[in-house]
Amino acid sequence: DVKVTQSSRYLVKRTGEKVFLECVQDMDHENMFWYRQDPGLGLRLIYFSYDVKMKEKGDIPEGYSVSREKKERFSLILESASTNQTSMYLCASSLIPGLAGTEQFFGPGTRLTVL
Amino acid sequence: TQLLEQSPQFLSIQEGENLTVYCNSSSVFSSLQWYRQEPGEGPVLLVTVVTGGEVKKLKRLTFQFGDARKDSSLHITAAQPGDTGLYLCAGDRGSTLGRLYFGRGTQLTVWP
Repeated sequence: DVKVTQSSRYLVKRTGEKVFLECVQDMDHENMFWYRQDPGLGLRLIYFSYDVKMKEKGDIPEGYSVSREKKERFSLILESASTNQTSMYLCASSLIPGLAGTEQFFGPGTRLTVL
Repeated sequence: TQLLEQSPQFLSIQEGENLTVYCNSSSVFSSLQWYRQEPGEGPVLLVTVVTGGEVKKLKRLTFQFGDARKDSSLHITAAQPGDTGLYLCAGDRGSTLGRLYFGRGTQLTVWP
């Protein structure tokens, strides 16, 4: 069974703090993704990575950075948290797509509140 | 700009009713996936459709991929309270990087 784990289920931080969200997958997947999920807006892609030390911006990268030093671990960093970054953050991983596409496996999410 | 438009956003029905959720785009996708998400959990894949016109059935759920591979639908027959959840469609544009484009989701509530 593929397992994607996220370091915290709930997190409360203050405005201006540096925040680290960690994601680990145990199936040797090449691709990893960070999304934020807000009511009515669906899943919006922040950043993704297709290999160690490789990253691509998604649709809403502003205010975020990422790090992938090891294949199994993908970190999302909020350099200076702001209240508008209060959200549910979901991490996912997948294999390199084949002809039938590729399933993304999601972690349980981290609900981040920035006060 | 949302690449995949999903409708309706909310659906509240009684047990036993039928329903259809739509996922539409002006873009062509190499495949289309449907996920279901329950509260406190991440989305879980239900099905992937790959061929234009393809129909897949999963018990009471029927998934269809449009002939032009621009749209998809999910039909649930005789809905049950256990079907309650957020349904998300996601399109794959054939990128080797595995990126998916998600619709905004349909929140389905089935009342006993």
